Amino acid sequence: EAGVAQSPRYKIIEKRQSVAFWCNPISGHATLYWYQQILGQGPKLLIQFQNNGVVDDSQLPKDRFSAERLKGVDSTLKIQPAKLEDSAVYLCASANLNRGPYNEQFFGPGTRLTVL
Amino acid sequence: SQQGEEDPQALSIQEGENATMNCSYKTSINNLQWYRQNSGRGLVHLILIRSNEREKHSGRLRVTLDTSKKSSSLLITASRAADTASYFCATARGGGSEKLVFGKGMKLTVNP
Repeated sequence: EAGVAQSPRYKIIEKRQSVAFWCNPISGHATLYWYQQILGQGPKLLIQFQNNGVVDDSQLPKDRFSAERLKGVDSTLKIQPAKLEDSAVYLCASANLNRGPYNEQFFGPGTRLTVL
Repeated sequence: SQQGEEDPQALSIQEGENATMNCSYKTSINNLQWYRQNSGRGLVHLILIRSNEREKHSGRLRVTLDTSKKSSSLLITASRAADTASYFCATARGGGSEKLVFGKGMKLTVNP
């Protein structure tokens, strides 16, 4: 089966600009996650969707970050305006929790964002 | 906040040797998972161990879980150069949340 797709793979912007990332999960996976991974650290969950509803966005900086999954499949994550500290790899993951809770997550290759 | 903490933070071994990585965590969990991240690649799930399990095997991987000590270990036997990567433990707390909390990771270098 095809894996989780993300685009773009790399993005360089200046601070205060806007940026958007796209994710297409594995077909049939109702659960989708966005993570932020700062260099030298583990991924940190930003937001979790179940179909097109938000399950957990407690760590999403809502003053500048937004995410949507309108049709319950693809998702976009937006940063507006970007700050220097947003430089990180943004990872999208999906899971088939219909098989039971607490199963493995499948990660995409990530988008490496550099904010200058 | 980071839940798990891997130890050591970096490990360098020769091909054929075994590598052991440890993970400690703070709160009660439903399960603990280990992931690998190669340079330039995304995270790949290696193995999941549930809180009622003590040991699990998958190929050259062996993971143990001690819930009384809130710790886990990942053993890679007969390491290969291709095992060079960063390894992360991640915990799921349960109670209706499937949220994974990752540790900071551990860098393993296997020298040919």
